[in-house]
Amino acid sequence: SQQGEEDPQALSIQEGENATMNCSYKTSINNLQWYRQNSGRGLVHLILIRSNEREKHSGRLRVTLDTSKKSSSLLITASRAADTASYFCVNSGGYQKVTFGIGTKLQVIP
Amino acid sequence: DVKVTQSSRYLVKRTGEKVFLECVQDMDHENMFWYRQDPGLGLRLIYFSYDVKMKEKGDIPEGYSVSREKKERFSLILESASTNQTSMYLCASSSRWRGGAEGYGYTFGSGTRLTVV
Repeated sequence: SQQGEEDPQALSIQEGENATMNCSYKTSINNLQWYRQNSGRGLVHLILIRSNEREKHSGRLRVTLDTSKKSSSLLITASRAADTASYFCVNSGGYQKVTFGIGTKLQVIP
Repeated sequence: DVKVTQSSRYLVKRTGEKVFLECVQDMDHENMFWYRQDPGLGLRLIYFSYDVKMKEKGDIPEGYSVSREKKERFSLILESASTNQTSMYLCASSSRWRGGAEGYGYTFGSGTRLTVV
């Protein structure tokens, strides 16, 4: 298994601002997924970007992937208080067992 | 729209008890997983299963066992609960055939917060 490293570990912004969080791996990236976890709940799948894609959009989410740097970023535009959550990345390609990192804890202040 | 259901939201057990955590999914997924989540440690994989009656150890299987007698149900068993097993337990499932976790991602249950006293 392998584990991604999310950065920063914590982020606090004002409502309406954009939030950017990053993810890096030591091994090659195949298919990278981002998840959100609201406090004390399960994880929710947000978006998947494949290794042959460089950018993907879903509503207010924008994900980029740089396979040469083995990194990805998640941008949330025009943040809302409801975006307050922890965000995790997972590299799920090429093997069965995947693990999640510590995540980025995002706080959006109203 | 229920997908992955964990039997209990909160559970309090005594040290030494045998504890069963149940997880049921209604998506006909082949793969099922059990994680525990602790502050500062992220999600750690305990056991996973790719088919009925099949199981494989994750990163921290000690003190746990699992059972998968039916495709939709994956049970986590704490043979003799200890205080260091106090944690949030998360069950997840994914499809093998529709690209597996790569294609459609994992679907998680809401979690069971277990306290062992």
